[in-house]
Amino acid sequence: DAKTTQPPSMDCAEGRAANLPCNHSTISGNEYVYWYRQIHSQGPQYIIHGLKNNETNEMASLIITEDRKSSTLILPHATLRDTAVYYCIVRVGGWQGAQKLVFGQGTRLTINP
Amino acid sequence: EAGVTQFPSHSVIEKGQTVTLRCDPISGHDNLYWYRRVMGKEIKFLLHFVKESKQDESGMPNNRFLAERTGGTYSTLKVQPAELEDSGVYFCASTKQGAYNEQFFGPGTRLTVL
Repeated sequence: DAKTTQPPSMDCAEGRAANLPCNHSTISGNEYVYWYRQIHSQGPQYIIHGLKNNETNEMASLIITEDRKSSTLILPHATLRDTAVYYCIVRVGGWQGAQKLVFGQGTRLTINP
Repeated sequence: EAGVTQFPSHSVIEKGQTVTLRCDPISGHDNLYWYRRVMGKEIKFLLHFVKESKQDESGMPNNRFLAERTGGTYSTLKVQPAELEDSGVYFCASTKQGAYNEQFFGPGTRLTVL
């Protein structure tokens, strides 16, 4: 079973920041938080991951609370192409990160013009 | 660099028939994964290859499913005989040894069993 809880759906205006929350209250010390998304009819796409520090890449930022029980994925300037289902996944990293991904229901993000 | 490719993109078969799905991972990726999403459910893991060896096949639903990866390159997933509940989208993903953070997914094969 997925170890994360996400809202089923969210809306955001184009050009605004989209903030997607995720709860992972049972996360272990060696587990990372990963985010993937699935744009309609495509395969899932990796976005970002982190352990305890905030992370940023060209796609998004990941903010992890100090107790690591929740996190927020931020798309700074959402576009219509960011409409997708976003999955927050908790799993070990490093060489053990070769393990399977466990997907939950995810959050269906709709970007409105 | 070519991404993960899957063939066919769509397959429609009758119940009881056999279907073989193919996945070509990114060149040099030792780890290959199969996942599927059946109607209304989450994406579920099926199995994981490291080169030609099955590392984890805990998600395979039953013995009607057979996955192979001869030579450690492309992989096939055979469903024999297919049942109605096998309908869904089958995804393949790959990662290279030592870089496990990102699994690269293919576009999926949509299987419809009538």
